[in-house]
Order: sequence, then C-alpha cells, then structure tokens
Amino acid sequence: AQSVAQPEDQVNVAEGNPLTVKCTYSVSGNPYLFWYVQYPNRGLQFLLKYITGDNLVKGSYGFEAEFNKSQTSFHLKKPSALVSDSALYFCAVRDRMFSGGYNKLIFGAGTRLAVHP
Amino acid sequence: DTEVTQTPKHLVMGMTNKKSLKCEQHMGHRAMYWYKQKAKKPPELMFVYSYEKLSINESVPSRFSPECPNSSLLNLHLHALQPEDSALYLCASSQPGGAGEKLFFGSGTQLSVL
Repeated sequence: AQSVAQPEDQVNVAEGNPLTVKCTYSVSGNPYLFWYVQYPNRGLQFLLKYITGDNLVKGSYGFEAEFNKSQTSFHLKKPSALVSDSALYFCAVRDRMFSGGYNKLIFGAGTRLAVHP
Repeated sequence: DTEVTQTPKHLVMGMTNKKSLKCEQHMGHRAMYWYKQKAKKPPELMFVYSYEKLSINESVPSRFSPECPNSSLLNLHLHALQPEDSALYLCASSQPGGAGEKLFFGSGTQLSVL
C-alpha cells in the first residue's frame, strides 16, 4: 500500500528562522510527490512537486523540498520563515494503482505550521 | 483564468432537504474531483470525473450524487444527509496529462447538516 506520513502535528518556528516540515513516503517504484498548503477556510494550494530529475525542487513562495530516496523522505523547507507562512501543510503521493487522465493523490495527515513574530 | 469557483460558500440544510453544490473551471481541465474535508484533517477523495465520465467513486453513500454536465462544470447533489456529513466540500481540477499534474482546488463549500 502506498502512503505518506507527516510525523509532526505542529511545527513552531520564529519569524526569520529556517523551517522544515517533514514527510516520509512508502511507495513501490518511483514516487510522484507533492506539497500543498491550506490557509484557514480555503482550498489547498499547490506548492511544488517531485516527479523525476533534480532532488532539490523549488516551488512557490520561496519553499523548496528535497527528495531523498535512501531515506524515503520529501521534507519541505524554507530558509527564512514569515508569519504569513502559518498554515496547514499537506504532503501527498500519487496513487500508482490509478491511471488515465487524472491524478489520484494520497494525502498525509497534515502539519500545522505556526510562525511567531 | 486559473480559478476553480465553488458555490455556495456556505450551506446549512436539514436532513430532509435536497441541495446541490456547484463547481466551475475554465482552464480546459478534463479531470474534476470532489473531496470531503473534516476540520484539521486531510481531504478525502469522493469522486473523480475524467473527460466527463465517472472514473472513481470511493464507495460514497448514495445520498451524494455527482454530475458532470460538461467539461467545465461539476455538481454534487445532496439528499437526506446526516449530521456527520457536515464538512468542507472541495472541488478540484487538473490537466489531461494525468499522473504528474497538479490539482487546482476551489475554496470549498462549508456544509452544515442540522
């Protein structure tokens, strides 16, 4: 079975400090990995994805993620956190059992990021 | 236009009511999705339409009835819901490329069933 795990319910960081939100995956074969962010009372917004190629993926709003095959991880990072980054972050993996013109995602439980001034 | 528009934003309904949620996109996406999200939980997939055909039904109760009348519109018809169906209902769409395509989400309909 394919899955992603986000081991931290909440991450607290001071504004200006680097942040990391952790994600590990369990997939047979090569994974397609995604990060989404959700602000209060809003839908999810795409941040970045890893399909193939360079292990360091750059995304929206200054976020990046590093794909590590040996550790089966895809941690989200940002060099300098902003208060406005406070939100709910979801890691997701494409479900390889389904194909045909759509992308079925399996989401992690989510990590709440709180950036304090 | 890179938006997925959902209406209404909020809906309160009784258990005997019939209502519909609407989702619209004009990005030429041919895959459209309905998700259900409880507070502080990840979204749960309900239905996927690909090229206006129902491709996935995640064993959703029949009181939820999806409809895709054309490539831009997706509806979710609600009938005889239960209080536990109260949640944020999210619509999403993606390009026809499939596997690696990102999903674009609407802001959702916050549904309360009394």
